[in-house]
Amino acid sequence: QVQLQESGPGLVRPWETLSLTCVVSSDSISRSYWWSWVRQTPEKGLEWIGEIYQGGNTNYNPSLKSRVTISVGKSNNQFSLKLSSVTAADSGTYFCTRRIYMVLQSRGFDSWGQGTLVTVSS
Amino acid sequence: DIQMTQSPSSLSASVGDRVTITCRASQGMSNFLAWYQQTPGKAPKLLVYGASKLESGVPSRFSGSGSGTVYTLTITSLQPEDFATYYCQQYYTSPLTFGGGTKVEIK
Repeated sequence: QVQLQESGPGLVRPWETLSLTCVVSSDSISRSYWWSWVRQTPEKGLEWIGEIYQGGNTNYNPSLKSRVTISVGKSNNQFSLKLSSVTAADSGTYFCTRRIYMVLQSRGFDSWGQGTLVTVSS
Repeated sequence: DIQMTQSPSSLSASVGDRVTITCRASQGMSNFLAWYQQTPGKAPKLLVYGASKLESGVPSRFSGSGSGTVYTLTITSLQPEDFATYYCQQYYTSPLTFGGGTKVEIK
């Protein structure tokens, strides 16, 4: 069964860049899935950030698009999130997750990491 | 964006009760609708996809229904482990969007 594990700093200073990595185990990131980031904040609840497919195609939430970059990591089987110019409103729990690439076969987000808490504060 | 509105935002129920949660979408989404359960400190867990298909391993007391813009999640006999927050989510079109959640509390 696939496992996803987020990692990264728990504290980020305002206006700096939040960087998180998700390591995927027991599955290949090259398979036909969208590999996604979702966050949970007190202000907005669960919010989809964006996703990447096989290291190439990306989709981003328009509300965050100008600040977000999702990429496949340098090491095998991981993908990363960068969110620039963060403010307190970006504080929350960040999850990595996946959904099947083909919409007609999709089941929504079927596997999730445990989440990592990020606080934006000076 | 497709806006997802859940109701109620919270409810109190007893073990054995039947519980129904409603999710309304701002536009049709061809049943590309999922339901998740989240307990404190944990990630959401997929319960239902395709509006009515039960994810493998999910107890049969959970069921989903609906079409068009109105969908429901029903728990036929509430168990102690079902006290949690439930979310709907559409995966029909980007940006993918979630409902605001329904917290099921013990009466």
